[in-house]
Amino acid sequence: VLTQSPGTLSLSPGERATLSCRASQSVSSSYLVWYQQKPGQAPRLLIYGASSRATGIPDRFSGSGSGTDFTLTISRLEPEDFAVYYCQHYGSSPLFGPGTKVDIK
Amino acid sequence: QVQLQQWGAGLLKPSETLSLNCGVYGGSFSGHYWTWIRQPPGKGLEWIGEINHGGSTNYNPSLKSRVTISVDTSKNQFSLRLSSLTAADTAVYYCARGLIDSTGYPRLDYWGQGTLVTVSS
Repeated sequence: VLTQSPGTLSLSPGERATLSCRASQSVSSSYLVWYQQKPGQAPRLLIYGASSRATGIPDRFSGSGSGTDFTLTISRLEPEDFAVYYCQHYGSSPLFGPGTKVDIK
Repeated sequence: QVQLQQWGAGLLKPSETLSLNCGVYGGSFSGHYWTWIRQPPGKGLEWIGEINHGGSTNYNPSLKSRVTISVDTSKNQFSLRLSSLTAADTAVYYCARGLIDSTGYPRLDYWGQGTLVTVSS
């Protein structure tokens, strides 16, 4: 099971966002993925292998972590970053976390 | 540029079977895991299952008894069938490409546009 916290993060543009994804048991960081989803759109790949940015993803997005605790950090929020973020464990039976909504304060 | 285009019926009755198709345009069809994911209105993502170009499948255990994913390599398409529908199956259904490259790190890198499937009598 993947748990994401907080459920909602209310921040202002320019602020730093720190999103947590916690696994109920240790997982390989190779299989930890982050996606961004905006209303009415399909999810978009952000980070794979816990810390590798996908093609075209700005460097304000970074991922870290190992074992059971993983973090997605957005260093300075841009207006287009307000969205829902999902972590995924891409194991033999892939599983998504419940998501963290980043909204404008 | 890879594009996934999906289509299928959007309004079904309880007990009927959902059938969706996803066409892959651009890129290689082999060497990837072709995946279905769904998202109930206002809720999170649920992985349904995947298939490779050789036809090997992997399903979510909670849906396995009702799901069939198939592939047509001659058309670069893959399909989802979900039987015995109930209202709980109402969701936006997405197709996506599962990529595992030389890094060894799997991810879903291209997604279809999504299809809202409503199950209602």
